[in-house]
Amino acid sequence: SQKIEQNSEALNIQEGKTATLTCNYTNYSPAYLQWYRQDPGRGPVFLLLIRENEKEKRKERLKVTFDTTLKQSLFHITASQPADSATYLCALDITGSRGYALNFGKGTSLLVTP
Amino acid sequence: DAGITQSPRYKITETGRQVTLMCHQTWSHSYMFWYRQDLGHGLRLIYYSAAADITDKGEVSDGYVVSRSKTENFPLTLESATRSQTSVYFCASSEQLAGLQETQYFGPGTRLLVL
Repeated sequence: SQKIEQNSEALNIQEGKTATLTCNYTNYSPAYLQWYRQDPGRGPVFLLLIRENEKEKRKERLKVTFDTTLKQSLFHITASQPADSATYLCALDITGSRGYALNFGKGTSLLVTP
Repeated sequence: DAGITQSPRYKITETGRQVTLMCHQTWSHSYMFWYRQDLGHGLRLIYYSAAADITDKGEVSDGYVVSRSKTENFPLTLESATRSQTSVYFCASSEQLAGLQETQYFGPGTRLLVL
């Protein structure tokens, strides 16, 4: 069966350090992978999309890598700040009988302390 | 620019009652989705719709019904609510680019409690 695995334990890091979150998947052949941020009591917010033929994508302090051989994506936040504290979700595209959708991992909680 | 809205934001109902959660988007996005989010399970797809009158089941569709007569609306109905349907429900929409739907935009969620 298809699985998306993210670190189940919360990640605690100190302000200024680089946070690295992992997303592993099995039984998928994704065209792309996405990362979302979710704050408590709110809906997820899109951060980055990386396609199967891209190795790396950057946006300000965020960097995503995508290794389709390892079936893994790494999400990095450099110079982390307490405001980066949130849950981060990875998502993969799936093909249904009448269109496309996303399957999400369970998310990794990040806590950045001053 | 209202974006995507959900109503009600909070709902308490009783087992066996029919409940409808509303979702409305102002972008004319072709795709719309319903998810539920529970501790330990993450975000799970209930139904999605690629366009008006085109819907398909997701991972956890049992006990739910959807319709999409207009592009901007995607109501989710719990035909006979059960306690296991207590959850936070998120609606999302996305545009279709190059044949695939891409970035999803989420609503604020509806917290449903079934007693």
